[in-house]
Amino acid sequence: GAVVSQHPSWVICKSGTSVKIECRSLDFQATTMFWYRQFPKQSLMLMATSNEGSKATYEQGVEKDKFLINHASLTLSTLTVTSAHPEDSSFYICSACRSSNQPQHFGDGTRLSIL
Amino acid sequence: GDSVTQMEGPVTLSEEAFLTINCTYTATGYPSLFWYVQYPGEGLQLLLKATKADDKGSNKGFEATYRKETTSFHLEKGSVQVSDSAVYFCALSDHGGATNKLIFGTGTLLAVQP
Repeated sequence: GAVVSQHPSWVICKSGTSVKIECRSLDFQATTMFWYRQFPKQSLMLMATSNEGSKATYEQGVEKDKFLINHASLTLSTLTVTSAHPEDSSFYICSACRSSNQPQHFGDGTRLSIL
Repeated sequence: GDSVTQMEGPVTLSEEAFLTINCTYTATGYPSLFWYVQYPGEGLQLLLKATKADDKGSNKGFEATYRKETTSFHLEKGSVQVSDSAVYFCALSDHGGATNKLIFGTGTLLAVQP
């Protein structure tokens, strides 16, 4: 199989704090990981593409200083929402693939609530 | 740019009814097409896929055929169950890009009543 684990699954924190979300590929090496954001009853919007050992490529309109992505190893990528505010509340989902021409495998998502 | 359009929900059916969820796409190249399913509170799971024209993807009783002439990839199931209640996303991946980025439709909520 191809299992992707996301942690935490749910986080609630105060406005102004930074939150880190982890995405791990448990049984394969992921050269590429993707981060998505999903608003209630809406589709997934790609935020950024992360390749191991290099800087993430952000989609238009996504603030790279707000959403810090680190892909330091072939099994781990992290998304840090810096100085989070209520408008950052959302469902964040990661996916991972072995290489650029392989299917994406999705994590179960992280529900972020900023009070 | 590439895009995916799918029918709006919610779709409410009785158990054992026939299901169709429409999906059409626009793409400059020759994309692969996917259906993903999202159960409440979970991430996405790949349901089925098709990589070229006239291919039929199938899984768990669901089917979809890649129709290049109508740029469609409609999802069908002959007899739905309560456990099929979920959000279904149509998506495409354009092989012409440097990565296999997925472009998703807006999702269709399916509610199956006993």
